[in-house]
Amino acid sequence: EAQVTQNPRYLITVTGKKLTVTCSQNMNHEYMSWYRQDPGLGLRQIYYSMNVEVTDKGDVPEGYKVSRKEKRNFPLILESPSPNQTSLYFCASSHKPQETQYFGPGTRLLVL
Amino acid sequence: SQQGEEDPQALSIQEGENATMNCSYKTSINNLQWYRQNSGRGLVHLILIRSNEREKHSGRLRVTLDTSKKSSSLLITASRAADTASYFCATDFYGNNRLAFGKGNQVVVIP
Repeated sequence: EAQVTQNPRYLITVTGKKLTVTCSQNMNHEYMSWYRQDPGLGLRQIYYSMNVEVTDKGDVPEGYKVSRKEKRNFPLILESPSPNQTSLYFCASSHKPQETQYFGPGTRLLVL
Repeated sequence: SQQGEEDPQALSIQEGENATMNCSYKTSINNLQWYRQNSGRGLVHLILIRSNEREKHSGRLRVTLDTSKKSSSLLITASRAADTASYFCATDFYGNNRLAFGKGNQVVVIP
């Protein structure tokens, strides 16, 4: 089944404790991206990747890192999480950035 | 930053009625997409309409695009309770490398 998976689905952590949210797709997509969704603000793009080893900043990259060492994986790293990073995070992939995006199920993060 | 913006923000209708929502954007686009999100879940792609298209249908969905007015509309005909969701439009305006999503339009269909 074609899908985008994210792990973990739910995470509660404390300020400053490094964490990684994994994202994996099995559709051989070149393009992958991370979004965060907050009430009243809609979806905002954090980082995106056009292909392996090619990443770029989105609208709200501060406090986040990403890597794209393999085509299928695009982990999101929070080196020192802060409470303002409490949010719902989505990973998405597609063949091309302007084409249909396939979204993961989301990761709900709470930073205390 | 430029975004598709949906209007109205919230809509409550009776089952069987039609639901219409609009999206406006500010710069030239290659295409415009509509997505649905059920409460807290991942977005699901509904329909993509390209800039050279004016209307597109998919089941009970009808999307129009007016590039002169920089706007699009999504019509859901004969709504069902299962259509209760948030609906987002997305445009690819950043030099083809990104999609920008609107803030979403909450639709509640009352059985």
